[in-house]
Amino acid sequence: QLQLQESGPGLVKPSETLSLTCTVSGGSISSRSHYWGWIRQPPGKGLEWMGSINYSGSTYYNPSLKSRVTISVDTSKNQFSLRLSSVTAADTAVYYCAKTTTDGYSGYLSWGQGTLVTVSS
Amino acid sequence: QSALTQPASVSGSPGQSITISCTGTSSDVGSYNLVSWYQQHPGKAPKLMIYDVSKRPSGVSNRFSGSKSGNTASLTISGLQAEDEADYYCCSYGGGSTLVFGGGTKLTVL
Repeated sequence: QLQLQESGPGLVKPSETLSLTCTVSGGSISSRSHYWGWIRQPPGKGLEWMGSINYSGSTYYNPSLKSRVTISVDTSKNQFSLRLSSVTAADTAVYYCAKTTTDGYSGYLSWGQGTLVTVSS
Repeated sequence: QSALTQPASVSGSPGQSITISCTGTSSDVGSYNLVSWYQQHPGKAPKLMIYDVSKRPSGVSNRFSGSKSGNTASLTISGLQAEDEADYYCCSYGGGSTLVFGGGTKLTVL
């Protein structure tokens, strides 16, 4: 059974870069059929799609975050990563990694448990 | 790219049916059959309930169904149960290789 697990610092200072990794187990991140994405949720608020990456490393970003977001994949470690630069308090959120169904935009079928990242000095 | 519009809250009694709407534009919901719905219980990760407008992933109850008309997608839950009480989010392909979520709807089972 496919499992995803987010990892990274729970506290980041303003203006610094937030870095998270999603480790995939029970399946290959090199699958040609799936996209791997990052979705975040500020406390008490709704979901926001941040971006995704496919098996070949092609990336797709939310236009509102595009200048600050980088998603990359490490197939040797079966991981993909998120970097968000110049963070502010508004970036405080639970960050989820997820895998789509067999289409890159049909829906996210598998999710990590989420990790809370707080931006504060 | 603006968030899809959902009602903030809906409610229903056990056994009843409820429908949650998700209104977008001709650039997202209206142009693609790529609408998905998620259920989220407090403190938990979202769970995919519907994808491609009306398809159910394996293991999701057939009490959940999805549809679309024009720029509005809908999630219907029939035979409402206490365990259905949760937040529900719609999501649509927005063109240009992007996705957009709705603001979420809190379902209360009375």
